[in-house]
Amino acid sequence: DPKIIQKPKYLVAVTGSEKILICEQYLGHNAMYWYRQSAKKPLEFMFSYSYQKLMDNQTASSRFQPQSSKKNHLDLQITALKPDDSATYFCASSQDRGSSYEQYFGPGTRLTVL
Amino acid sequence: SQWGEENLQALSIQEGEDVTMNCSYKTYTTVVQWYRQKSGKGPALIILIRSNEREKRSGRLRATLDTSSQSSSLSITGTLATDTAVYFCATEGSSGSWQLIFGSGTQLTVMP
Repeated sequence: DPKIIQKPKYLVAVTGSEKILICEQYLGHNAMYWYRQSAKKPLEFMFSYSYQKLMDNQTASSRFQPQSSKKNHLDLQITALKPDDSATYFCASSQDRGSSYEQYFGPGTRLTVL
Repeated sequence: SQWGEENLQALSIQEGEDVTMNCSYKTYTTVVQWYRQKSGKGPALIILIRSNEREKRSGRLRATLDTSSQSSSLSITGTLATDTAVYFCATEGSSGSWQLIFGSGTQLTVMP
C-alpha cells in the first residue's frame, strides 16, 4: 500500500487558473514537506510543516500556499498559475523535522501550465 | 549555491561494472543523504552518512564523506540494470539548517 498519496498524478491547467495539489501520508510522521522538480533542475525545497505548523517557507511567491487540515495532510494551493510553474511537485514526510531524519517522498504530481 | 556542480551529470556503464559518483558541497553539514530516483518515481533514501563517519556501507553501496574537502562519494559495486536511476546527494542548507538541499544529481544508466 502506498504510504504517501499524492493526487492527482497529472494535472494540466491554463495560465491564470488555480489548482490544489493533495498530499496524505500514512507513516505517522510529524513533519511534511513540499519540493518542486523542474526539468533538468535539482529538487527545490519549498515548504516544511511540523505538527501542522509552517516552519519554513523558501518560496518567494505568495501564489504558493500550503494548507494542513490534518496532521497527515499537506496540500499545496497554487494561484494565478504561470507556465514557469510547470514542474513535478513532490510531497515528503519524515518522523520529525531535522536533516538526520530520512525523508519519504510521494510519487509526485506533474503539473503542466499552458 | 550549495553545490560545486550545477548540471546533471550522466554516466553510462555495463552491468557488472563498479561506479563511483561524487558531489561536493559548500556549506557545513552534519549529514549527507544519498537518494535514488527512478524514472517517474519520487526519490528514495539509500544511504545516510553523518559527519562523524568517514564511510558507510549498505549492501552493494558505499558512501564516503570527507568533511575537510566538503565532498562525498557514492560507490555501487557489481551494478545491475535495475540500478539505472538518478542519484542525488543532499546536505543541510545554511549552517545549522535542518533543510535538505539537493544537488543536481547523476543520471546513471546501466546497460544489460
